[in-house]
Amino acid sequence: AQKVTQAQTEISVVEKEDVTLDCVYETRDTTYYLFWYKQPPSGELVFLIRRNSFDEQNEISGRYSWNFQKSTSSFNFTITASQVVDSAVYFCALIEDSSYKLIFGSGTRLLVRP
Amino acid sequence: EAGVAQSPRYKIIEKRQSVAFWCNPISGHATLYWYQQILGQGPKLLIQFQNNGVVDDSQLPKDRFSAERLKGVDSTLKIQPAKLEDSAVYLCASSFSLLTDTQYFGPGTRLTVL
Repeated sequence: AQKVTQAQTEISVVEKEDVTLDCVYETRDTTYYLFWYKQPPSGELVFLIRRNSFDEQNEISGRYSWNFQKSTSSFNFTITASQVVDSAVYFCALIEDSSYKLIFGSGTRLLVRP
Repeated sequence: EAGVAQSPRYKIIEKRQSVAFWCNPISGHATLYWYQQILGQGPKLLIQFQNNGVVDDSQLPKDRFSAERLKGVDSTLKIQPAKLEDSAVYLCASSFSLLTDTQYFGPGTRLTVL
């Protein structure tokens, strides 16, 4: 069965520090899709990135970068030079091609202090 | 492009009362989802529709929850009668077509059952 684990419940950093949010997943499928969502205090889930299982290229978007490693079943998210506006709960999620259900991890709460 | 719309944003009811939530997906999106997010947890899928047909409702407590998507656009989720443990945020999401397409979420409805 598919599973997503975010072991870090809460992280607190000072502004301008770099921070990495960990995500480990379990699946038996060879075709699957991984996602990161941001949930600010307003409550809406904001889509950040999608990767499919055949594309292990790392991706960078501004201060955000993602490291996808199939060998360790991990899809980690790094924020460089964090800002107060990055404070939110971040969710990693997985869809298997066989089940079509988006399964979320328990989330990591990031607090960026000025 | 307008995002997923939900109403109401907040609702407080007494246990055993009924309540209904409304969702309007992104224009052109065929697939619609309802999730329940309990405080401190990741969202959990309740039901998913493709056009106006139910794809999966295996996690919907059918003794008290019901959902419909008439005409394949708007959707309503109803709880009758509500229990204390139904207190949660109810999120609606939509995706373009395939069940593996990226899901975009609305702002959610925060339900408190007293």
